[in-house]
Amino acid sequence: GAGVSQSPRYKVAKRGQDVALRCDPISGHVSLFWYQQALGQGPEFLTYFQNEAQLDKSGLPSDRFFAERPEGSVSTLKIQRTQQEDSAVYLCASSPRAGSGEQYFGPGTRLTVT
Amino acid sequence: QQQVKQSPQSLIVQKGGISIINCAYENTAFDYFPWYQQFPGKGPALLIAIRPDVSEKKEGRFTISFNKSAKQFSLHIMDSQPGDSATYFCAASWGGATNKLIFGTGTLLAVQP
Repeated sequence: GAGVSQSPRYKVAKRGQDVALRCDPISGHVSLFWYQQALGQGPEFLTYFQNEAQLDKSGLPSDRFFAERPEGSVSTLKIQRTQQEDSAVYLCASSPRAGSGEQYFGPGTRLTVT
Repeated sequence: QQQVKQSPQSLIVQKGGISIINCAYENTAFDYFPWYQQFPGKGPALLIAIRPDVSEKKEGRFTISFNKSAKQFSLHIMDSQPGDSATYFCAASWGGATNKLIFGTGTLLAVQP
């Protein structure tokens, strides 16, 4: 079956622009995670959804970051008024069960803010 | 206490050799320890994982060794191949509402032919 897909794969934004990053998780997966990966670093947790409920947003770096998963499937991570420090790869992961720990990652969206 | 410390930062191994990457943690609430492999331009791929009730898990050429008392775990890649050249991340998570992963800083492995 298909894995986690993300779009766009690459995004260049001018500072101050809003961006929206999409994640299509593996079909039927209950849990969905967003991570941010800076160059040469490990991924860092941003937020977690169980079905449509956002249960943890403790990793979102500022109120410019917003995520949603309205129907419990596709998720969108939105960044308002982008800043240069937002440049990173944004990874989405899904997991078949709540509380599983076993997470499958998409290819990521590389965001460059100029 | 949330950190996972990974070493070495980079590793060069000859083809056919054994690659060993180590991780250490402080939070005794962690109960799931996966290893991920990441190629340039790709997302991390789940390689192998272990829970603290066992001391070793083997899948093909990949083995996790787990030392609960020392709060350390390691990845061993036997018969390393050039195709294994990638960045490897250890991670940890604990039960509860989220099960978010805490990642190490990564090890860049180069297997020379």
